[in-house]
Amino acid sequence: QVQVVQSGGGVVQPGGSLRLSCGASGFKFDNTAMHWVRQAPGKGLEWVTFISLDATTRYYIDSVKGRFTVSRDNSKNTVFLQMNSLRPEDTALYYCVKDRTDTWSFDYWGQGVLVTVSS
Amino acid sequence: QSALTQPASVSGSPGQSVSISCTGTSSDVGGYNYVSWYQQRPGKVPRLMIYEVSNRPSGISNRFSGSKSDNTASLTISGLQAEDEADYYCSSWTSSTTWVFGGGTKLTVL
Repeated sequence: QVQVVQSGGGVVQPGGSLRLSCGASGFKFDNTAMHWVRQAPGKGLEWVTFISLDATTRYYIDSVKGRFTVSRDNSKNTVFLQMNSLRPEDTALYYCVKDRTDTWSFDYWGQGVLVTVSS
Repeated sequence: QSALTQPASVSGSPGQSVSISCTGTSSDVGGYNYVSWYQQRPGKVPRLMIYEVSNRPSGISNRFSGSKSDNTASLTISGLQAEDEADYYCSSWTSSTTWVFGGGTKLTVL
């Protein structure tokens, strides 16, 4: 069955960097786009970034442009989120999410990893 | 990109029907049939309930239905059950090549 398993996360000081990883199985990874969605503690969902199946197309929410970079390694069924210049407002649970092909929706969610930006 | 507008809370008794609205603009909800809905129970991961306005993934009860009129989408839950108590979020693709979520609606089953 479909599995999306995340790693990374932790506590980092403002201005610091962190890299999240997300391994996927149970579906044809190199045929599937992926997203990152975050949720600040006690708050709602916020879409962060999208990467197409071949990484030729990437979209970002304005607040992370120039600071976050999404990438993927199809040979390892893994997607990454490199987060630089982190701010306290980036503190959230970060979900790696499988795109439901051709429907512009999110169908399988990772377990989420907590990123805390604090001095 | 501003979040889509949802009521903060709705409630209903078991067996009743409730609807949750999701209002956007012609640049998102009104411009595309790419509205989806997610259920998030406390401490759990979000779950896709509806995609492309009104389609249900396999395994989702037909008590859940979706619709859209102009810039407002709606999720209707009929035959309300205790297990439906959760937060519900709408999402839409936007003309800015991004996705946007609603602020979320807490459903309480009385």
